[in-house]
Amino acid sequence: DTGVSQNPRHKITKRGQNVTFRCDPISEHNRLYWYRQTLGQGPEFLTYFQNEAQLEKSRLLSDRFSAERPKGSFSTLEIQRTEQGDSAMYLCASSYGTPAEQYFGPGTRLTVT
Amino acid sequence: TQLLEQSPQFLSIQEGENLTVYCNSSSVFSSLQWYRQEPGEGPVLLVTVVTGGEVKKLKRLTFQFGDARKDSSLHITAAQPGDTGLYLCAGVGRVGSNYKLTFGKGTLLTVNP
Repeated sequence: DTGVSQNPRHKITKRGQNVTFRCDPISEHNRLYWYRQTLGQGPEFLTYFQNEAQLEKSRLLSDRFSAERPKGSFSTLEIQRTEQGDSAMYLCASSYGTPAEQYFGPGTRLTVT
Repeated sequence: TQLLEQSPQFLSIQEGENLTVYCNSSSVFSSLQWYRQEPGEGPVLLVTVVTGGEVKKLKRLTFQFGDARKDSSLHITAAQPGDTGLYLCAGVGRVGSNYKLTFGKGTLLTVNP
């Protein structure tokens, strides 16, 4: 069990560019979550997948954000036309069985210049 | 909107001291979790408390859930430098098949040798 992995760990991009992050959950975990964490704040829920179905999206997830989990395994989070306010740590978590016990990845830190 | 307030926001102590951090909510959660997050990493689950009045111990850490299931505390005995990190509480609420976590802003603990 290698835990939840996220790539890249760090991303620096210029405003207006598109970025895509990847999350590989723990094997056989059917639930996958994306969170955003800014400095001085706790993680904020963005979206949730059960298998390949995206079941819930936060109103924080603007039209510029899209997430997929095409085969119910890994997931991608894409941000189009990035803005400086998108700078944050993007965390992925997965769970199975006891759904409240979520296992977090190390996150992708995005800096938009 | 369910909000979790954590206090203090920052805490700097010397090795060997005891400390207590608090997590308060205006709403009732089905359970409450405590996480520790180190810089550049994702949160790691420490404990889940479910029953009002419940007390759980994890080595030098003692977690208590309030009788009304709206508040919780974390007490650390004889703190060590390895305890340094961001301590987050998260309320667990069920929405359909999803168990949504609502995080507080955290308490940033520094234990000086």
